[in-house]
Amino acid sequence: QKEVEQNSGPLSVPEGAIASLNCTYSDRGSQSFFWYRQYSGKSPELIMFIYSNGDKEDGRFTAQLNKASQYVSLLIRDSQPSDSATYLCAVLQFYFGTGTSLTVIP
Amino acid sequence: SQTIHQWPATLVQPVGSPLSLECTVEGTSNPNLYWYRQAAGRGLQLLFYSVGIGQISSEVPQNLSASRPQDRQFILSSKKLLLSDSGFYLCAWTGALGTGELFFGEGSRLTVL
Repeated sequence: QKEVEQNSGPLSVPEGAIASLNCTYSDRGSQSFFWYRQYSGKSPELIMFIYSNGDKEDGRFTAQLNKASQYVSLLIRDSQPSDSATYLCAVLQFYFGTGTSLTVIP
Repeated sequence: SQTIHQWPATLVQPVGSPLSLECTVEGTSNPNLYWYRQAAGRGLQLLFYSVGIGQISSEVPQNLSASRPQDRQFILSSKKLLLSDSGFYLCAWTGALGTGELFFGEGSRLTVL
């Protein structure tokens, strides 16, 4: 069983729509969760981190954590073409999902 | 401000040849350092991490090794490359105290032929 699982996509949404990215993890004791964005051929960069159950908002991005369900999600509101990238879910620095490819269609 | 540099950016090596990738961090002291590999269509796989000079933890048994000869220098090596070593190698750092956010270098793309 993989430590972190994500739908690989690709996920396509029209410009201005909400993109929803999902991630599940296997270790119930995990405490720290990160979302990174990776443009093609580039290195990942942090979008958000979340430690507590519930929602955390930063601009157009909202991270949601449900420890009981071992589920983390990232919502991108008012999606822009510049959001087109692969989004990686991570538990601490040790376990990454395979990433979800997002394309925002103008 | 803190910066991380990684080189070379691209290299093509024959099977059986040696490898050395280098990473240095500037603007911070005693960082935690990491080496990851990203194969085509796959997520980041943690290879090694280090919490201090000479302290290396290996996450995946393989023909690669890592060394940390100085506080802000991290080196990934191999004596004999395999075809399966091809991939995008990323060095990263986190602060000893902080959010746990990873700061990545620019990456090194290795093709083994």
